[in-house]
Amino acid sequence: DAGVTQSPTHLIKTRGQQVTLRCSPKSGHDTVSWYQQALGQGPQFIFQYYEEEERQRGNFPDRFSGHQFPNYSSELNVNALLLGDSALYLCASSRTGHTEAFFGQGTRLTVV
Amino acid sequence: AQSVTQLDSHVSVSEGTPVLLRCNYSSSYSPSLFWYVQHPNKGLQLLLKYTSAATLVKGINGFEAEFKKSETSFHLTKPSAHMSDAAEYFCVVFEGGGADGLTFGKGTHLIIQP
Repeated sequence: DAGVTQSPTHLIKTRGQQVTLRCSPKSGHDTVSWYQQALGQGPQFIFQYYEEEERQRGNFPDRFSGHQFPNYSSELNVNALLLGDSALYLCASSRTGHTEAFFGQGTRLTVV
Repeated sequence: AQSVTQLDSHVSVSEGTPVLLRCNYSSSYSPSLFWYVQHPNKGLQLLLKYTSAATLVKGINGFEAEFKKSETSFHLTKPSAHMSDAAEYFCVVFEGGGADGLTFGKGTHLIIQP
């Protein structure tokens, strides 16, 4: 079992650009959540996808959007990047009805 | 609304001595509570979880935590620290019922002195 996998591991983008991050959930999991972890802070909930729809959303602007595919994998898109978007982006997967979430190793995004 | 307060940003202990990482929570419902560990440049690993069963929860690597509803606390302990325990620890609350995902504390950095 490969667990939760995220790609890429690192990337550097310029202000104003757009970025797409990818996540493959743990085998048997159907729910994917995304979190943003700024340096020295705890992760903050961005949104959650289930059955290819956004089910819950945290306090993030519409520049942050996502998608879930029929195979349960997911993408996080961020438009019009700001310097403040620099962070570790974590993907977590879980099974519906279970509270336990498994996290990937994250994508380190640097905006310059 | 759910929230978590980790009372110490840094904790330093000597190898072989007990570890205590403190966490208080706030929730409108009966929450699920978790402790996660994050080693440098790694993702988050679940140490243990409380989901309204036994109040004393045992986790991996010798860690355990006690849920105290009257004190709204969920402190993490380990009898004897090991050098490999050095990491960032997060207390996490989830109250369900449409709550916004997991809510993390700001983390406690555990330092192990040789």
